[in-house]
Amino acid sequence: DVKVTQSSRYLVKRTGEKVFLECVQDMDHENMFWYRQDPGLGLRLIYFSYDVKMKEKGDIPEGYSVSREKKERFSLILESASTNQTSMYLCASSQGNQPQHFGDGTRLSIL
Amino acid sequence: AQKITQTQPGMFVQEKEAVTLDCTYDTSDQSYGLFWYKQPSSGEMIFLIYQGSYDEQNATEGRYSLNFQKARKSANLVISASQLGDSAMYFCAMREANTDKLIFGTGTRLQVFP
Repeated sequence: DVKVTQSSRYLVKRTGEKVFLECVQDMDHENMFWYRQDPGLGLRLIYFSYDVKMKEKGDIPEGYSVSREKKERFSLILESASTNQTSMYLCASSQGNQPQHFGDGTRLSIL
Repeated sequence: AQKITQTQPGMFVQEKEAVTLDCTYDTSDQSYGLFWYKQPSSGEMIFLIYQGSYDEQNATEGRYSLNFQKARKSANLVISASQLGDSAMYFCAMREANTDKLIFGTGTRLQVFP
């Protein structure tokens, strides 16, 4: 079974902090994704990556950056956290035409 | 632009009954894929079922089936014999042609009561 692991289930940070959300997958998948989920808005794509050191912007990249130094790890970075970035963050991975597999999510609160 | 619409914010169904969750999509692509995911209150997204745009048969996976009507651009999820454990958020999603990106709908919260 594919395992996508997000480093934290719950995280509380302060406005202006630099925040790192980590995601690791164990199935050698090429593709990795970061989404945020907000009530009434569904899941929205922040960034995705097709390969190591490659990244592409999704629909809402503003205020975020990503890093993929190793194939199994995809990090989401909030450069200077703001209260409007309080949300549920979901990481996913996939290979070819197979469905995306998701982690358990990180509930991030910015105070 | 591609779009997924789920018009039912919430649905109730009695245990052992069938329920249909609606999903319509908009795309100009000929090749695309449609997915349904379940999200329990614990937060993880669980893949349920997939339908390719060229598949002639409706997809089925156990108690889940996808009612695919291509001309109407709808991909409704049918859950038969509902169970209390089916209570969750359900998301419809579409994969664009030549990409692995997914576009999600806003979700439907299903509550199954005894």
